[in-house]
Amino acid sequence: GDSVTQMEGPVTLSEEACLTINCTYTATGYPSLFWYVQYPGEGLQLLLKATKADDKGSNKGFEATYRKETTSFHLEKGSVQVSDSAVYFCALSDRGGGATNKLIFGTGTLLAVQP
Amino acid sequence: KAGVTQTPRYLIKTRGQQVTLSCSPISGHRSVSWYQQTPGQGLQFLFEYFSETQRNKGNFPGRFSGRQFSNSRSEMNVSTLELGDSALYLCASSFQGGGQETQYFGPGTRLLVL
Repeated sequence: GDSVTQMEGPVTLSEEACLTINCTYTATGYPSLFWYVQYPGEGLQLLLKATKADDKGSNKGFEATYRKETTSFHLEKGSVQVSDSAVYFCALSDRGGGATNKLIFGTGTLLAVQP
Repeated sequence: KAGVTQTPRYLIKTRGQQVTLSCSPISGHRSVSWYQQTPGQGLQFLFEYFSETQRNKGNFPGRFSGRQFSNSRSEMNVSTLELGDSALYLCASSFQGGGQETQYFGPGTRLLVL
């Protein structure tokens, strides 16, 4: 079945460092890909998404490109801030047929940014 | 526009009891999905409702059930609670479902089973 694999955490960085969180997927169809972020004690917030190959999603300085050839959707940011400390989830949704809204999540990566 | 709301936010129950959680989607959204989040299993899909019909179901026992009302509000019920049901239960809504749509999540209900 469909699955998402993302790098283990925690990832600890100093403020203004570069961030990459790796995410790869396995899917039989043509999924949409998402990055969600979860701050302590809260639900999930959509960070960015891409719905087809070569699309780049971006938001708040974060970027990720849908790479069909490598089945990847790595999250990147050029300069992290303390406020970026959170758990990041990569997820896919089967776009085929449109009759489902099931998200499949990776295990999450904890990011800790130190001042 | 108000976001997804979930009630209650916290709940403590004992084994064998049952529990009902409520979710109010964003106004105009007709699809509501439920997810369970635990440290061991991560985020897992429970079920999705659209227009009062269950459209998709995850791999959970029959003790987990749900329903959706005509105003798109949804409830999920867990009967005969087990210790392993302790989790954060997240509800998400979208306009009409479909893989390309963004799902908007509520803050969750944290259930502790003693």
